[in-house]
Parts: sequence; C-alpha cells; structure tokens
Amino acid sequence: NAGVTQTPKFRILKIGQSMTLQCAQDMNHNYMYWYRQDPGMGLKLIYYSVGAGITDKGEVPNGYNVSRSTTEDFPLRLELAAPSQTSVYFCASSIQGTGELFFGEGSRLTVL
Amino acid sequence: SQKIEQNSEALNIQEGKTATLTCNYTNYSPAYLQWYRQDPGRGPVFLLLIRENEKEKRKERLKVTFDTTLKQSLFHITASQPADSATYLCATLGGATNKLIFGTGTLLAVQP
Repeated sequence: NAGVTQTPKFRILKIGQSMTLQCAQDMNHNYMYWYRQDPGMGLKLIYYSVGAGITDKGEVPNGYNVSRSTTEDFPLRLELAAPSQTSVYFCASSIQGTGELFFGEGSRLTVL
Repeated sequence: SQKIEQNSEALNIQEGKTATLTCNYTNYSPAYLQWYRQDPGRGPVFLLLIRENEKEKRKERLKVTFDTTLKQSLFHITASQPADSATYLCATLGGATNKLIFGTGTLLAVQP
C-alpha cells in the first residue's frame, strides 16, 4: 500500500499565484485532513473532511479551499498565494475521527 | 480551549539511558492522548495511544503514562539508541473543531 501520497514535494510560488496541493490515500479512510507546520508552531489544522462531499474548516482555513469528490482524493487549493502561506503542508487520513492519523510525506511551499 | 504543551528545548541523552518526554494539557481531561514520531523532512508517524482510564501503555521499548491529576502524559524510551533521535509530538482532541491538535514537539538527540 502507498498510504497517503502528496504532490508536489516542493514548490515555489510568486505572490498572487494559485496552485493545488494534491493528496490521495488508498486505505479507504473516510476522514482526511490538511495541516500546516511552521517552525516552533506545531501542526495546525486547515481543513478536514469526514467523507466524500463533506468538508469543514479547521483552525486556520483563511486563504485555502478544499474539495472531496471521491473517498481517495482531498486536494488543497491556494487561490492567491501570500508569504504567510510559506509552510510545510501535511495531508493525513484516519479510519474514524478519533483514531490514529496516517500522514503523507509533506509538501514544502515557499511564496516569494 | 484545550492546549497541548511540550518542552521546546531539545533533550540530549546518552545511548542506553532512558529518555523521558513530557506532554501537558491545559483544560479538561481528554479521552485519550496520542504520541507521534517525526523525522526531519518526513511526516509524523503514529506510535502509541493511551486512554483516560489507562494509567500506562507499553510497546516494545516505549512506555506512555497518563496522569489526570497532573494533566500530564510522560513518554519513555528505554535503552535509547541513536536511531531514536527524532522529534516526538503529543496530540489529543481539542480546538474549535474537536479534531486532533498537536504540541510543538520535543527534539530528542541520543548520543552514541
């Protein structure tokens, strides 16, 4: 099993550009999450989904959008990139909302 | 709202010794606490979950305790090895979404 796969691993954006971070899982998990990790700040929840067609905001959703058209995929969209969105983004999935999370390897985004 | 606090200072120990990492929560006693390991440039990997009614949980050289009086969980690695060097994250349900929130992690460095 591949688990949780994120692409791209690295990306540099200019201010105002848009992009989508891709996330796919092959474990048939209903729950999926996007976190960002900044140095010394820990992981912060951006958006989460409890199943196909259902998404909800996390702690830091501003500047991001998500969709969940299938169980497997949970892309994260940045519409107008800002320097404050420079971070490492992690996608994760879980069988249920209270269980262990399975993380991808992360996508490092730099906005200049 | 619930917060997770971990010692941000790195912990340096000698190989063979027991490493003890601390996780404190600020408000209500959570139903459980989770511990993850994160290596540089990688996503967090789940290690152990301990429930509120469990005082102690073991897995190979790892041991986790949960003290609801002190609002604290301790994570122990016995007979530590240089390969145990990593950042260890504590997590529990919390925040406005009642989804998994993380501490900032503690960096463990095991010297040979």
